[in-house]
Amino acid sequence: KAGVTQTPRYLIKTRGQQVTLSCSPISGHRSVSWYQQTPGQGLQFLFEYFSETQRNKGNFPGRFSGRQFSNSRSEMNVSTLELGDSALYLCASRHAGGAHSGSIFGEQYFGPGTRLTVT
Amino acid sequence: AQSVTQLDSQVPVFEEAPVELRCNYSSSVSVYLFWYVQYPNQGLQLLLKYLSGSTLVESINGFEAEFNKSQTSFHLRKPSVHISDTAEYFCAVSDRGAAGNKLTFGGGTRVLVKP
Repeated sequence: KAGVTQTPRYLIKTRGQQVTLSCSPISGHRSVSWYQQTPGQGLQFLFEYFSETQRNKGNFPGRFSGRQFSNSRSEMNVSTLELGDSALYLCASRHAGGAHSGSIFGEQYFGPGTRLTVT
Repeated sequence: AQSVTQLDSQVPVFEEAPVELRCNYSSSVSVYLFWYVQYPNQGLQLLLKYLSGSTLVESINGFEAEFNKSQTSFHLRKPSVHISDTAEYFCAVSDRGAAGNKLTFGGGTRVLVKP
């Protein structure tokens, strides 16, 4: 089975621009989560999508948004980029099937990340 | 709210020596506990997890961690490290009762194995 893939792997943007990152989960996985990793703040949860619905959201400004498609692929968008948005953005997928998906805990599998540099 | 504290940001250790990485958490609810490893320029890999049952959990590559509820700790140990264990290790918790799966991570411990 192919792992979680993220595109692009590296990205350089200018302050004020916007960016879209893509994540393809493991086949059959319906939950996709996004995390931001920086040297100063460490790993922070951005949001989780399950069946095209945002189920959890971290403490990030509204410039950070995401969506999930019917094939479970997910994108996250950051608008009006700031220098502080430079980070490694990690996507993780999980097989969260079943009516009571919250109680059926599945392991999260992480992708290699997208390294975003804002200049 | 939950928080995770990894007490050591860096741990240098000689090859074949034991290592312990400390992790303490704070939560008002019951949690699941995890250790992840991150090799340079890679994503996170799950090392081991505590969901329920025996408080001592082991990984296939010789790591083990023990859940201590009274001390709210989940320390990671390996009796004999290899050069290939050089990496950053993250402790994480997840709320048992919540729908979804938000992980709260500690700050990470960088392990440098010296020959």
